[in-house]
Formats: sequence, structure tokens, C-alpha cells
Amino acid sequence: DAGVTQSPTHLIKTRGQQVTLRCSPKSGHDTVSWYQQALGQGPQFIFQYYEEEERQRGNFPDRFSGHQFPNYSSELNVNALLLGDSALYLCASSTRHYEQYFGPGTRLTVT
Amino acid sequence: GQNIDQPTEMTATEGAIVQINCTYQTSGFNGLFWYQQHAGEAPTFLSYNVLDGLEEKGRFSSFLSRSKGYSYLLLKELQMKDSASYLCAVRDDYKLSFGAGTTVTVRA
Repeated sequence: DAGVTQSPTHLIKTRGQQVTLRCSPKSGHDTVSWYQQALGQGPQFIFQYYEEEERQRGNFPDRFSGHQFPNYSSELNVNALLLGDSALYLCASSTRHYEQYFGPGTRLTVT
Repeated sequence: GQNIDQPTEMTATEGAIVQINCTYQTSGFNGLFWYQQHAGEAPTFLSYNVLDGLEEKGRFSSFLSRSKGYSYLLLKELQMKDSASYLCAVRDDYKLSFGAGTTVTVRA
């Protein structure tokens, strides 16, 4: 049983560019959440998708947007990248109110 | 808002016991989670408490007091592989709000 997968593993972008990160949830999971984790900090909630709709959003600007597809996979898009967007981006999948399982993350570096 | 506090670092000896405390003040509460995160890796689920009391799972136990906004994770019979960051997280509705994590170093 495949767990949560994310791609790419690492990414280097320049300030002002746009990036798309991808996530495939664990089999049987229908909910996907995205988190940003800066070095030495806990993950910060970006948003959660369920039934292809954004169900809840954290304190992130509109530059951060997402999408969920009918097969429950999800994308995170970040526009107009800033140096401060450099972080580990984690995707977590779950079913309703059960525990969230995290993927390996995408390490984004903005130069 | 969400405020979740846990110690930054703890050091213990192999075979010993360590207790990691977590205090929280959140706008909502629908369960408290503990995750383990090794450097450069994803967090992995350890335990979940939604009612007051102790949950035991092998060498790991977690306790919750909702009235005090307090939880702890107890790691027994420490092994070198337990050296990691331990994250306390509170769920309200759907999202998890995390503390900054406690780095535990196990010495031989």
C-alpha cells in the first residue's frame, strides 16, 4: 500500500517565479492538507481540500493556491515567489477526522 | 488564535525515560496529536488523545488534560533511534496547529 507521495523532492526557483507542487494521497484517503515547515519550526497549515473544494485555509496570502482532482490528488501553487517561501512543503492525507499521514515533502529553495 | 508551547531541546541517556510537555491555548479543540520527525524526513504519527487520560502504545505513552490545556509524551527505554524532533499538534475542526517541536537527543 503506497503512502503519501509528493513531487518533486527538491526544487530551486528564482524570486518572482511560480511553482507547482504535487501530492498523491494514501490509498483510501479523500482529504489532502498542505503545510509549510521552515527550518527549526513546526509545520504551518496552508489549506485543506475535500471533495475538490478548499475546506479550510490558514494565514497564507492569495499567492498560495491549490486544487484537488477527482482522484483526490492535489496541487499547491505559489506565485510571485519570495525568499521567505523557502521551506519544506508537506502534504498530508486523511479520511475525515482521523490522523493525518504525511508525505516526504518537497524542499523548495528560492534564490 | 493558536498558542502551543513545548520545550526546545531535551537530552537523555539510552535506556532512560523522557517526558515532553506540551501546553496549548487554542480557539477550538478536536484532539491532540504527537508526531515524530527525524531530520530531513516527514512527520510520522505517534499518538492521539481526545479524552482526558493516558494512552499507551508500546514504549510511547501520551497523556491529556483538557481542563489544563496540557499534554505530555512519555518515551520509555530510550533507544538511539529515538533521537528526533517531537511535535505536539492540536486539531480544531480540520487543521492541525503544531508547536515548534522538541529535539530529543539520546546519548549512549
